[in-house]
Amino acid sequence: GQQLNQSPQSMFIQEGEDVSMNCTSSSIFNTWLWYKQEPGEGPVLLIALYKAGELTSNGRLTAQFGITRKDSFLNISASIPSDVGIYFCAGPNYGGSQGNLIFGKGTKLSVKP
Amino acid sequence: EAQVTQNPRYLITVTGKKLTVTCSQNMNHEYMSWYRQDPGLGLRQIYYSMNVEVTDKGDVPEGYKVSRKEKRNFPLILESPSPNQTSLYFCASSLLGRTYNEQFFGPGTRLTVL
Repeated sequence: GQQLNQSPQSMFIQEGEDVSMNCTSSSIFNTWLWYKQEPGEGPVLLIALYKAGELTSNGRLTAQFGITRKDSFLNISASIPSDVGIYFCAGPNYGGSQGNLIFGKGTKLSVKP
Repeated sequence: EAQVTQNPRYLITVTGKKLTVTCSQNMNHEYMSWYRQDPGLGLRQIYYSMNVEVTDKGDVPEGYKVSRKEKRNFPLILESPSPNQTSLYFCASSLLGRTYNEQFFGPGTRLTVL
């Protein structure tokens, strides 16, 4: 079935640094989503992308829908301690039934003040 | 306040003892789903429901049951729990249509099966 591969698995950065992470698939996706999970909580949607090449921002976060439709990128500018968490990419599994959403394994971000 | 609630938040049980984890949303969402989260494996979908009386299997449905008798509720049932079902479980909901992927998640239920 379809799989989403996220990299890096984890990142340790200094406050103020910019962050880049990505998500790739061997299959084409028509939708890419980025979620953030803070410790002890459920994931929260950050950005949804619906068009190849689309670039969408949410505050200091910017996500891009790769032109090949097989990848997506998330950038965080000027990181702050509250950016700590696990970032997941997700997309609909077109190999399965409508409604089946699959997630990558996540990128764990740690920010040192 | 718009929210997805899950109960209980923490549960320790023994192998074979039937249990139900409840999920309720107050946003009139058609779509609801259950996920489990295990270290290093991310979130994996167990079951989902596109509307009342409509349910479908996700990627890891074995050992679980669900029902959708009312729009707001989507309980997860473990008829005979086993230790490999020890996990963190999340319920989520969303509107149907193109935005069904934009899901609101509950706070999670941490289940331990001894």
